[in-house]
Amino acid sequence: DTEVTQTPKHLVMGMTNKKSLKCEQHMGHRAMYWYKQKAKKPPELMFVYSYEKLSINESVPSRFSPECPNSSLLNLHLHALQPEDSALYLCASSQAPGLAGGTGELFFGEGSRLTVL
Amino acid sequence: TQLLEQSPQFLSIQEGENLTVYCNSSSVFSSLQWYRQEPGEGPVLLVTVVTGGEVKKLKRLTFQFGDARKDSSLHITAAQPGDTGLYLCAGAPDSWGKLQFGAGTQVVVTP
Repeated sequence: DTEVTQTPKHLVMGMTNKKSLKCEQHMGHRAMYWYKQKAKKPPELMFVYSYEKLSINESVPSRFSPECPNSSLLNLHLHALQPEDSALYLCASSQAPGLAGGTGELFFGEGSRLTVL
Repeated sequence: TQLLEQSPQFLSIQEGENLTVYCNSSSVFSSLQWYRQEPGEGPVLLVTVVTGGEVKKLKRLTFQFGDARKDSSLHITAAQPGDTGLYLCAGAPDSWGKLQFGAGTQVVVTP
C-alpha cells in the first residue's frame, strides 16, 4: 500500500465548479509535489513545497491553487478549469530538496483522475 | 534543462523473453531513478543508482548506471506479465535540482 494517500480517486467537474484534491503523507517528508500526467506521458511537475513553503511553481495557470496546511497535507484547489485540464493528478513526497546526500526519491500517491466537462 | 531520452518508446514481448530499456543524456546526473507505473496507479520507485558504473539487481531486474553518470539501462530477464507497465527513468542533476523524467517506455508482456 502506498504511504501517500490521495482523495478523491476520481473527480468529474464542470468548467464553473470549484473543487479540491487532497494529499496526505506520514513519512516525515518535508517536500511535497503536485504533478500532472496525461495518458502514456511522463509526469509533469506543477508545484513543489519545501518545509511548507511554495518553492517551485512551473508557470501553472492560476486556476490551479496549491495549499500546504502542514507538513503532512497538500491540497490543490481547482476553479474554472478547462477540458484540456483533464488528467491524472499525482501527489508525491520526498526528503527535503537539498538534503545532504539526498537523491530526491519520490513517493507517489495513486493519483486523482480528473475529468473536466 | 537537462533532457533524458528513453528508448524504445514501446516494447511488446512474450513471456520468458528478455528486454532492455535505455535512458540517455548528454548531461551528468548525481543520481538516477527508475520507476514503474501500472494503469490507474502512481509511479512506484524501483531503484536509485548513484555511483558511476554501479549495477543493482532487483530479482529479475538489473539496473546499470553509466561510468560517466550520463546514462542508465534496465534489463529484465525472463519477463512475466506482471512486468507490464510504463517504465520511467528520472535524473537528479544535483541535490538541489528538480527531477527530470524521461518520456517513458511502455512495456507489454503477453502470456
